[in-house]
Amino acid sequence: EAGVTQFPSHSVIEKGQTVTLRCDPISGHDNLYWYRRVMGKEIKFLLHFVKESKQDESGMPNNRFLAERTGGTYSTLKVQPAELEDSGVYFCASSQERGSGYTFGSGTRLTVV
Amino acid sequence: AQSVTQLDSQVPVFEEAPVELRCNYSSSVSVYLFWYVQYPNQGLQLLLKYLSGSTLVKSINGFEAEFNKSQTSFHLRKPSVHISDTAEYFCAVSDPGNTGFQKLVFGTGTRLLVSP
Repeated sequence: EAGVTQFPSHSVIEKGQTVTLRCDPISGHDNLYWYRRVMGKEIKFLLHFVKESKQDESGMPNNRFLAERTGGTYSTLKVQPAELEDSGVYFCASSQERGSGYTFGSGTRLTVV
Repeated sequence: AQSVTQLDSQVPVFEEAPVELRCNYSSSVSVYLFWYVQYPNQGLQLLLKYLSGSTLVKSINGFEAEFNKSQTSFHLRKPSVHISDTAEYFCAVSDPGNTGFQKLVFGTGTRLLVSP
């Protein structure tokens, strides 16, 4: 089966611009998660979708971040406007069953200059 | 809230030597524990997990980890490392929770550097 796909793999944008990251989960996986790793720090939870509904968005840093999951399939994470501290690697993951461990994508490396 | 501590940010080791990567987590009634690995220029891959049952869990490539409830630890070990084991290793923990959703809490990662 195809894995979790994220694109772009890299993005370099200027402060104040808008960037949209996309994640395609494994087909049939209802649970979709976004995580972020800021340089040198731990990987932190951002939010969790169950199908198209946001189950938990407690990790979203602020209202410059907007996540959507159209029709319960792919998800987008938009950062508008981007700030320097938003730089990092954004990981998406999906799972079908609770507690079985996620399948992660390769991540999107976002650099805000 | 759960927290995970990986005390070693980097572990250099020679090929064929044994290695232990340490992971401690904050106490909870019950937890699920995971080790993920990130090879250079790749995504996170699940290495092994503890959900219940035997406290010693093993991966297909020779790594093993032991859940120690009294010490709240889940250290990762391999008796003989290979150059290809060079990667960053992340310990993670989740609470099974009442809703069944497990939000993973990660440690800061340990870079394993294997040299010939």
